[in-house]
Amino acid sequence: GENVEQHPSTLSVQEGDSAVIKCTYSDSASNYFPWYKQELGKRPQLIIDIRSNVGEKKDQRIAVTLNKTAKHFSLHITETQPEDSAVYFCAASIGQAGTALIFGKGTTLSVSS
Amino acid sequence: DGGITQSPKYLFRKEGQNVTLSCEQNLNHDAMYWYRQDPGQGLRLIYYSQIVNDFQKGDIAEGYSVSREKKESFPLTVTSAQKNPTAFYLCASSIHSGGPWGNEQFFGPGTRLTVL
Repeated sequence: GENVEQHPSTLSVQEGDSAVIKCTYSDSASNYFPWYKQELGKRPQLIIDIRSNVGEKKDQRIAVTLNKTAKHFSLHITETQPEDSAVYFCAASIGQAGTALIFGKGTTLSVSS
Repeated sequence: DGGITQSPKYLFRKEGQNVTLSCEQNLNHDAMYWYRQDPGQGLRLIYYSQIVNDFQKGDIAEGYSVSREKKESFPLTVTSAQKNPTAFYLCASSIHSGGPWGNEQFFGPGTRLTVL
């Protein structure tokens, strides 16, 4: 079946450093790639997403890049803060219908002050 | 945090019993989804529905059943055939524009099911 691989599984950084999380996907028909943040005991919430017709998208300290040829996309967080500590999930849409998502296994980001 | 609700928050059942988890949304979304979340496993898709009276299996549908009789509701039944049902269950919804692009999924608060 289709698959999304996410690395690393854990990431520890100092406050102010940058953090990068990488994902690869297998379905060549995937065209929508969201990133979700899940704090402990809470529901996942969308932080940024990208469609396959663009290569990069930024929102303040967060950016996502997409390489369709390599089937690879990444989340970049700059100037990290302790409140960025959470589990981050990447996802890719399944097939041409595009509504269902397949998720990576998550990255636990810890930002220490 | 309104818009999509799940009940109950915690659920305990004896082994061999079927149990139904509720999911309701008032966002007028066409599509609804059920995911299972286990530690270190991410979110795994159980079932999804793009329109009323229609639904598709996800990666781990065995031992689960769903119905979609109303646009607002997408209940999930965990049957006795599910070998390891103890998990955190998340419901989500999204618009379905009918076009080629995916859309943001909004998640409910989740139900933690424990089978004793």
